[in-house]
Amino acid sequence: GAGVSQTPSNKVTEKGKYVELRCDPISGHTALYWYRQSLGQGPEFLIYFQGTGAADDSGLPNDRFFAVRPEGSVSTLKIQRTERGDSAVYLCASSLRAGGDTQYFGPGTRLTVL
Amino acid sequence: TQLLEQSPQFLSIQEGENLTVYCNSSSVFSSLQWYRQEPGEGPVLLVTVVTGGEVKKLKRLTFQFGDARKDSSLHITAAQPGDTGLYLCAGGDTPLVFGKGTRLSVIA
Repeated sequence: GAGVSQTPSNKVTEKGKYVELRCDPISGHTALYWYRQSLGQGPEFLIYFQGTGAADDSGLPNDRFFAVRPEGSVSTLKIQRTERGDSAVYLCASSLRAGGDTQYFGPGTRLTVL
Repeated sequence: TQLLEQSPQFLSIQEGENLTVYCNSSSVFSSLQWYRQEPGEGPVLLVTVVTGGEVKKLKRLTFQFGDARKDSSLHITAAQPGDTGLYLCAGGDTPLVFGKGTRLSVIA
């Protein structure tokens, strides 16, 4: 596709459940980023990949959060034992390379934990 | 930790008015970016400023980077309803640090 796509667009789950959020970056972009945006806040960095490897995961809040990008394209953000505080919009972005290239954002996945 | 403070948090104005929103930090940034985000969408990059004192114009939007590269402003001339949205500033390279944004509403 022409832009970054994210699925699902909305996800409602119950506290304690496991969820996976998917991001399809722009074709050819080697860098992929995950952000979390809570209500009334700006995006907060979680993790970014350069190729298949996580170059910086310092923004992941705890070990319930994990992300993979096994083939250097699609990425999945995985959240275990979800908590109500995890409710937010999860944004994915991609750029040609890391380190200053323009990041193009997807529309986000709105996660609601009941 | 680099932080970006944006003000005002909310702004509601009439069509045709001018406005300025601000992005401030105690840290020096190599560059600052301005994004606009509409409901249900991700942020879209408007401009990147790199040089202290730099001024960039995008139609009715004027962006300025402070001389010390710690602050930036966005001025909109003759605002239109289509300018409504969340304006975010972000700094750094990787990872980007975002401010909380200014939510602008332009009333026809």
